Amino acid sequence: SAVISQKPSRDICQRGTSLTIQCQVDSQVTMMFWYRQQPGQSLTLIATANQGSEATYESGFVIDKFPISRPNLTFSTLTVSNMSPEDSSIYLCSGGDMEKLFFGSGTQLSVL
Amino acid sequence: AQSVTQLGSHVSVSEGALVLLRCNYSSSVPPYLFWYVQYPNQGLQLLLKYTTGATLVKGINGFEAEFKKSETSFHLTKPSAHMSDAAEYFCAARRAGNMLTFGGGTRLMVKP
Repeated sequence: SAVISQKPSRDICQRGTSLTIQCQVDSQVTMMFWYRQQPGQSLTLIATANQGSEATYESGFVIDKFPISRPNLTFSTLTVSNMSPEDSSIYLCSGGDMEKLFFGSGTQLSVL
Repeated sequence: AQSVTQLGSHVSVSEGALVLLRCNYSSSVPPYLFWYVQYPNQGLQLLLKYTTGATLVKGINGFEAEFKKSETSFHLTKPSAHMSDAAEYFCAARRAGNMLTFGGGTRLMVKP
């Protein structure tokens, strides 16, 4: 199994600012993804983090708002840019292979 | 497109009673299927998965699930509920590109 660490675990941010969330996996993984979980709801995929190339975004999510980096097979970052209260959510990193995906404990973001 | 439906956003059982959480998927090709559990303020933990082979899958904490192709279902069961089982449960299916599509989640409450 893989252990996924996310930083920060929570943050309170001001409207218009940006926050970068880091995701570190303790072993190399083929795939990494970023999900959003809005209060009381299920998980929605934001994007697939591709090593060494631009992320692949799901419908409704754009690179200017959620830039993602993945420099290697164990690390990725998600930035939430120009934040508004609607961005208040839990952001989850996941990584693994075709048969198993592991999740970090999430970053709880509150935007005032 | 792949979709996952969980019947019942909230399920309440008495301690010691049978737990049954329902999940149906839509796909012309049997997908990989997963159940995850999320305890309050934590990330997702993999309970069990179905990829190929035996249709009855046993997971952690006494949970099991049965893949029924004819019913496109992957219901999660546990013979006897424990107070510590109270959590949010998510059914998920792997789709093209290897990311997961999640159901809406079912909150399990266990009464003493």
